[in-house]
Amino acid sequence: GAVVSQHPSRVICKSGTSVKIECRSLDFQATTMFWYRQFPKQSLMLMATSNEGSKATYEQGVEKDKFLINHASLTLSTLTVTSAHPEDSSFYICSAGRENYQETQYFGPGTRLLVL
Amino acid sequence: AQTVTQSQPEMSVQEAETVTLSCTYDTSESDYYLFWYKQPPSRQMILVIRQEAYKQQNATENRFSVNFQKAAKSFSLKISDSQLGDAAMYFCAYGGGTSYGKLTFGQGTILTVHP
Repeated sequence: GAVVSQHPSRVICKSGTSVKIECRSLDFQATTMFWYRQFPKQSLMLMATSNEGSKATYEQGVEKDKFLINHASLTLSTLTVTSAHPEDSSFYICSAGRENYQETQYFGPGTRLLVL
Repeated sequence: AQTVTQSQPEMSVQEAETVTLSCTYDTSESDYYLFWYKQPPSRQMILVIRQEAYKQQNATENRFSVNFQKAAKSFSLKISDSQLGDAAMYFCAYGGGTSYGKLTFGQGTILTVHP
């Protein structure tokens, strides 16, 4: 398999602040990573595709100015939730696949965000 | 657009018994992949098994096997000799041939294993 890490695993912040979540591929390079959001006992909803060296592609209904994505290197993508509000509280998960084998995605352990 | 449907919100099985989780999908693509992921209480998504659409042979990984019916667009997961550690939420996922890595997930099935 392949290992994907996320940091932090849990974050609590005040309403109006920004929070950055990191997603790293530890033992492989990933030109593309994906960010998902998951509510309790529900499925994963794709938010955006993170592309190394270019702009992210957002799914319909996802505010790109709210959820900033930066994929600055082949092993790191970051998701910044700007001016977070309580409704942004959720579980955020990233995934990545090996170059030329991206059909199989490996997931990070997720980040639980709570906005007070 | 592709859709994935898991019609069983919850399933239960006795330890050591066999259980089958259902999944159907809809697509107009000819080249695609199908996956089963497991999400235990830790919420870490774990790949259980994958199937390439072009392969007629059903994938198998130890106690896990699939029944892939391409014409019917059905992709069920069979867990044999169920263990307590199999208790989790199971997601069926579709990955299209034109956008590798971008997955569409079903609603999930919560599997309970009784000792």
